[in-house]
Amino acid sequence: SQELEQSPQSLIVQEGKNLTINCTSSKTLYGLYWYKQKYGEGLIFLMMLQKGGEEKSHEKITAKLDEKKQQSSLHITASQPSHAGIYLCGADGGTASKLTFGTGTRLQVTL
Amino acid sequence: DTAVSQTPKYLVTQMGNDKSIKCEQNLGHDTMYWYKQDSKKFLKIMFSYNNKELIINETVPNRFSPKSPDKAHLNLHINSLELGDSAVYFCASSRQGAYEQYFGPGTRLTVT
Repeated sequence: SQELEQSPQSLIVQEGKNLTINCTSSKTLYGLYWYKQKYGEGLIFLMMLQKGGEEKSHEKITAKLDEKKQQSSLHITASQPSHAGIYLCGADGGTASKLTFGTGTRLQVTL
Repeated sequence: DTAVSQTPKYLVTQMGNDKSIKCEQNLGHDTMYWYKQDSKKFLKIMFSYNNKELIINETVPNRFSPKSPDKAHLNLHINSLELGDSAVYFCASSRQGAYEQYFGPGTRLTVT
């Protein structure tokens, strides 16, 4: 079965700083999804990557899938308190109906 | 407008009891899911239904039984609750074959 390892597990950054979260898969990724979970709430879809080398941006968040399609990174520029939460990467393993999620990265943004 | 809703939001119960969690989506999606998030925040799929038919059933104890009365609803019934069932349970939905899943707010189950 596919396993996704995220690093770091937790991160505390000062407001305005940049940060990067990594997601490494044990198998080739067919589709890689990034979700954000605010504390005590459900998951919110951020973006999906499918092609090796693909990069997508949404506001100040950029995600990239490496050429070999086994690792993805999520980069936040000029972090804000609203970015705080748990970031989860997910992979579909070729089947859209079944997502395997990573171990999660807890982000705190201090003032 | 709430896209995916779950009830209740919190559930505290004793070991051995039977409880249900309800999920409804008003997005017109064909596929619905149940996920379990443990204390370490690890999120794992339990079940997936497509047009009221079970398509994914991960290694979940038989005490857990999903029921889909129609496309918009997927309920989760748990028999003989155990301490290890304490977790946050998330319902989600998506269009058939689509990758983007919409999640409900979660139900925090505490078994004492």
